[in-house]
Amino acid sequence: DAGVIQSPRHEVTEMGQEVTLRCKPISGHDYLFWYRQTMMRGLELLIYFNNNVPIDDSGMPEDRFSAKMPNASFSTLKIQPSEPRDSAVYFCASREGRGTSGRANEQFFGPGTRLTVL
Amino acid sequence: KQEVTQIPAALSVPEGENLVLNCSFTDSAIYNLQWFRQDPGKGLTSLLLIQSSQREQTSGRLNASLDKSSGRSTLYIAASQPGDSATYLCAVRGQGAQKLVFGQGTRLTINP
Repeated sequence: DAGVIQSPRHEVTEMGQEVTLRCKPISGHDYLFWYRQTMMRGLELLIYFNNNVPIDDSGMPEDRFSAKMPNASFSTLKIQPSEPRDSAVYFCASREGRGTSGRANEQFFGPGTRLTVL
Repeated sequence: KQEVTQIPAALSVPEGENLVLNCSFTDSAIYNLQWFRQDPGKGLTSLLLIQSSQREQTSGRLNASLDKSSGRSTLYIAASQPGDSATYLCAVRGQGAQKLVFGQGTRLTINP
């Protein structure tokens, strides 16, 4: 398996523009997580899905952020309109979730999207 | 609310030394604890996962231990190499929860 795939790897945009980040989880994984990493706040969970259904979006900072998972192999995180304080690295992660083995409980991360909002 | 702390924030040691990285958490009702490695500009690589019922896990030169009652985990790296230089993060998953709560990480530098 190619692991968790994210695109784009880097995104530079201007304030006010819409930004869409994409994620393809590992095939067969039931859980998908979106995280944001900044120097000040470290890694923070934004939202997670189970079987394509959003379960907990309490970490989404504002209504400007939205996430979807239309099918088991694709998810998007959208910021509209973007602001300079949204600049961060956004990670997608997935987990199998079935069973009690260690492997089923490991989260696997994608390479991240480095977002810069000017 | 679970809080995870990693001390020190940075550590620099000469090559060949054995070393220990520390992770502490405030709520002992955990489901598991996972150690990750992050190289600059890269994603997180899972190193070891310890279930709450386990005391330790080993992978190669790495050994992670878990003491739930005291809210601590350690990551032991034997015979350190320059390639071990990275930021090491621990993350805790609470009982009945799905999300991971991360520490701020320890930035490790192994000097040749």
